Amino acid sequence: EPEVTQTPSHQVTQMGQEVILRCVPISNHLYFYWYRQILGQKVEFLVSFYNNEISEKSEIFDDQFSVERPDGSNFTLKIRSTKLEDSAMYFCASSELAGGPHTQYFGPGTRLTVL
Amino acid sequence: DQQVKQNSPSLSVQEGRISILNCDYTNSMFDYFLWYKKYPAEGPTFLISISSIKDKNEDGRFTVFLNKSAKHLSLHIVPSQPGDSAVYFCAAQASNTGNQFYFGTGTSLTVIP
Repeated sequence: EPEVTQTPSHQVTQMGQEVILRCVPISNHLYFYWYRQILGQKVEFLVSFYNNEISEKSEIFDDQFSVERPDGSNFTLKIRSTKLEDSAMYFCASSELAGGPHTQYFGPGTRLTVL
Repeated sequence: DQQVKQNSPSLSVQEGRISILNCDYTNSMFDYFLWYKKYPAEGPTFLISISSIKDKNEDGRFTVFLNKSAKHLSLHIVPSQPGDSAVYFCAAQASNTGNQFYFGTGTSLTVIP
């Protein structure tokens, strides 16, 4: 069964460093998302991406964050200068459809630890 | 900003009995609801969904009920099995306004053999 994959599973970085989290969405999906879950809190939406553009973003997704689809398979989330509060699980998701009721399929997550 | 709430952080149920997980929401624009299951060190796995035009959707042992007037949905698992032990997240979408999913904080279900 097709699935969303994410690398690395765990990333440890120093405050102020840049990190790139990688995702390979399900191959025939056209819509991509990043969510995060701070320990003990709910899963929160960061951004959605379609047709090489951000289609929606939350207030969490500030100028320190960017997303890119550098090739036909990868979808990345970059955090330019990490802060302690960026420590969280980051989940990538993809969907075949959007713009109405649809199901998003999630990857296993990358645990980001900022020291 | 708690648009989706799961007020029970944990639930224990005997194997073979019914598990009922509850979810409340505040945004009347939500028209699509999903339940996800999450095991430790894995991402949320889609379980079942329901559109606001329905009040019930069933898939095998899993049934989701939606009460729009009460802004409440529930997931019933019958019969519960030890493999159902996981964290269950309720999610909601206002499909006419965007693709963002709003998640609850999750309920940890333990099914006791």
